[in-house]
Amino acid sequence: QKEVEQNSGPLSVPEGAIASLNCTYSDRGSQSFFWYRQYSGKSPELIMFIYSNGDKEDGRFTAQLNKASQYVSLLIRDSQPSDSATYLCAVNSEAGSYQLTFGKGTKLSVIP
Amino acid sequence: EAGVAQSPRYKIIEKRQSVAFWCNPISGHATLYWYQQILGQGPKLLIQFQNNGVVDDSQLPKDRFSAERLKGVDSTLKIQPAKLEDSAVYLCASSLEASGREQYFGPGTRLTVT
Repeated sequence: QKEVEQNSGPLSVPEGAIASLNCTYSDRGSQSFFWYRQYSGKSPELIMFIYSNGDKEDGRFTAQLNKASQYVSLLIRDSQPSDSATYLCAVNSEAGSYQLTFGKGTKLSVIP
Repeated sequence: EAGVAQSPRYKIIEKRQSVAFWCNPISGHATLYWYQQILGQGPKLLIQFQNNGVVDDSQLPKDRFSAERLKGVDSTLKIQPAKLEDSAVYLCASSLEASGREQYFGPGTRLTVT
């Protein structure tokens, strides 16, 4: 059974700091990796995706992927109170139905 | 570009009653997904459609849940009869490609079963 593990948090960081969110996955056949942000009471919003080993930067967000270690992370630079949300890691095996498997999410609180 | 539309936004029913949810995906998105998100957990895929055909329904409790996507656009998800453990947010998502690489979610329907 495919599993995606995240630390549920809460992770608290001061405003302006770097927030580091981590995710591990069990299926070595996984090919695509996603980070979704979910505000309380709202639906998930796609913020980053990464397909290749290494780093991918988009504004204040950097996704990092290490397939050998089955590890993906999200760094948020210059964290803002508006970044306070639950961050969901999702993994797509691209086999069969290309099903997305989500982790339980990490709750991030950015303290002003 | 309009996003994924869902209705109703909230629904409260008693156990053993039936309920139906509706979803309209982003225009042109061939792939549609229904997820169940229980409080404190990540979304769990219930069923995936490619146009009007089912790609994956392995996690759909078929004794009580059913879904259809007639004409390959709108979709409905039905629960009959509902159980207390069905209380959750039901999310519809769509993607342009069958790979499902970039899925966009609707606002969800919050179901409470009493």
